[in-house]
Amino acid sequence: EVQLVESGGGLVQPGRSLRLSCAASGFTFDDYAMHWVRQAPGKGLEWVSGISWNSGSIGYADSVKGRFTISRDNAKNSLYLQMNSLRAEDTALYYCAKDSHLMVGATPSWFDPWGQGTLVTVSS
Amino acid sequence: QSVLTQPPSASGTPGQRVTISCSGSSSNIGSNTVNWYQQLPGTAPKLLIYSNNQRPSGVPDRFSGSKSGTSASLAISGLQSEDEADYYCAAWDDSLNVLFGTGTKVTVL
Repeated sequence: EVQLVESGGGLVQPGRSLRLSCAASGFTFDDYAMHWVRQAPGKGLEWVSGISWNSGSIGYADSVKGRFTISRDNAKNSLYLQMNSLRAEDTALYYCAKDSHLMVGATPSWFDPWGQGTLVTVSS
Repeated sequence: QSVLTQPPSASGTPGQRVTISCSGSSSNIGSNTVNWYQQLPGTAPKLLIYSNNQRPSGVPDRFSGSKSGTSASLAISGLQSEDEADYYCAAWDDSLNVLFGTGTKVTVL
């Protein structure tokens, strides 16, 4: 069974940093691109970042560019999101999602499955 | 970055047909495929339709998708109570960003 389990969320003060992790199992991790998608409380979905199978292609939403860094460790079947200079508007449930393709931006491609999410709250 | 525009809500009685629209532009829906995700209350999103009109295994055939030009649609035929959820369209944009729709809450009356 394909499974994605996020961790690392929590309460953090504005301006501080946090690192999220996503542990993948049940599929060949380095055959697929991976993504982070977030959802602010009561709001819609927002794509945050994506990374290709070999980390050769990476994309970020404008809202996090320069502050967040996505990475992966294929040997550990893990995806990461380093979040620096956090702001109140970064408060959200952060989901990890598996792409159907090995490259970021390939079309057609889709996200399946998604993890259950880890909650990040930025507040003083 | 732009988003894809959906109606905020849609509703119907059991058995009715409900349609949700998703409007984009030539740089996203107009040049890339559309996917739809269903988010049941309190759960993570789940893939519902991929590549404009394909259903993953396990998704009932009462769900169907279509695309024309810079717009896409999701139809639910024979609406059931368990279909009450939020629905999001999504597409890659030519700027190498994934755009999600604004989301539509479907209510079964």
